[in-house]
This record gives sequence, C-alpha cells and structure tokens, in this order.
Amino acid sequence: KAGVTQTPRYLIKTRGQQVTLSCSPISGHRSVSWYQQTPGQGLQFLFEYFSETQRNKGNFPGRFSGRQFSNSRSEMNVSTLELGDSALYLCASSLGDIGMNTEAFFGQGTRLTVV
Amino acid sequence: AQSVTQLGSHVSVSEGALVLLRCNYSSSVPPYLFWYVQYPNQGLQLLLKYTTGATLVKGINGFEAEFKKSETSFHLTKPSAHMSDAAEYFCAVSPWYSSASKIIFGSGTRLSIRP
Repeated sequence: KAGVTQTPRYLIKTRGQQVTLSCSPISGHRSVSWYQQTPGQGLQFLFEYFSETQRNKGNFPGRFSGRQFSNSRSEMNVSTLELGDSALYLCASSLGDIGMNTEAFFGQGTRLTVV
Repeated sequence: AQSVTQLGSHVSVSEGALVLLRCNYSSSVPPYLFWYVQYPNQGLQLLLKYTTGATLVKGINGFEAEFKKSETSFHLTKPSAHMSDAAEYFCAVSPWYSSASKIIFGSGTRLSIRP
C-alpha cells in the first residue's frame, strides 16, 4: 500500500511570507501528526489531527496552524515566516485509536528554507 | 510529563563490532518506547517498539532493545555493525493511552561505521 506522501519535498520562502504544506496519510489512517525537525531543537511535536479535529497540540506559536479534510489529508500552514522556521517538517499517520498498540508511519518530509 | 535522554550525540564503531546506543526515559505513566532510524534526507523508519509484555524487543535489521523499568532505560543494540547501519537513531516515548500521535523524541545519536 502507498505510504505517507508529503508535498512539496523542498520549498524556499522569504521572511514574512506564508507557506502551506500537505500530507496524505496511509489509506484508512485517521490520525495525522506534524513534527518540526531542526539541528538545534531536534524533533518537536507540532499538532495532531484526528477525524478533522485537532486532538493534541505542541508548544508552538499561533503562526503554526493546520487542518484535516474529510479524506484525512492534512495541511499545515505557517504564516509570517521567520528564519528560524527553516526546518524539515515531517508528517506521520496512524490509525489513531486511543490506547491501541498502533504505529506511526512517517513521510519523507518537506524541507523548508526561509531566506 | 515525559522525556527522553540519549547519551552520546555521535557513536562510531568498526564494521562487525557491537553497536550500543543508550536511551533513558522519564514518564509519569506506563510508556510506550520506540527506536526510529533516519537516513539522510529521509523520514523516520520504525526499528522496534516496546508496548507491554516481553521486555526484550527484536526489530528490523538485526536490532534489539531491552526495556528495564528499574533503570528507566531502553538501550538499542546490534551484535555486528554493518556499513548500511550508518544513520541517525532516535529513541522516543509516548504514553500508553495515547495513539501513536504525540511522540516525544530524544535528541538523536548519529552512528558512524568504520571500515
């Protein structure tokens, strides 16, 4: 079966602009989580969407937002980009059932560079 | 609250030698524990996971890890290193009641293999 697909793979934006990243989860998975990976801060949890609702949220400013569609595809938006937003953004999908022994499958990520 | 500490940001071993990557965790509730591997410009791939039951967990590519509650450790080992094992390895934790959606990662250990 197809894996987690993130688009685009690479993106260059200018400070102050906004950006939208897309994630298509594995078919049948209802949970999509987003992570930011930087050399300084490592892998940090941004938020999780489950059945079109934000279920968990990390400690990021309101410039970072997301949404999930009825087909479980998710988008992440960053407004008013800052140089520090340059990172690899990873999306993970899972079945999403609470308390279940489920696994998160990661996409290859979107490399965002802010100049 | 949960956290993960990986001892050693960089480990170098000779091909054929034992690989030992150290991980200690902190969790106020029974944890699920994971080891992920990341190759350059790629997403994360699950090597193995501990949820409940047997404390010695076997994963892909010959890796295994042992959950030691008394030591709050989950070290990753492989008896004989191969050149293809060179990558970054992340130890991670999530609470048992969570889906695989809100994972807390360690800072990572870069594994180098000497010929």
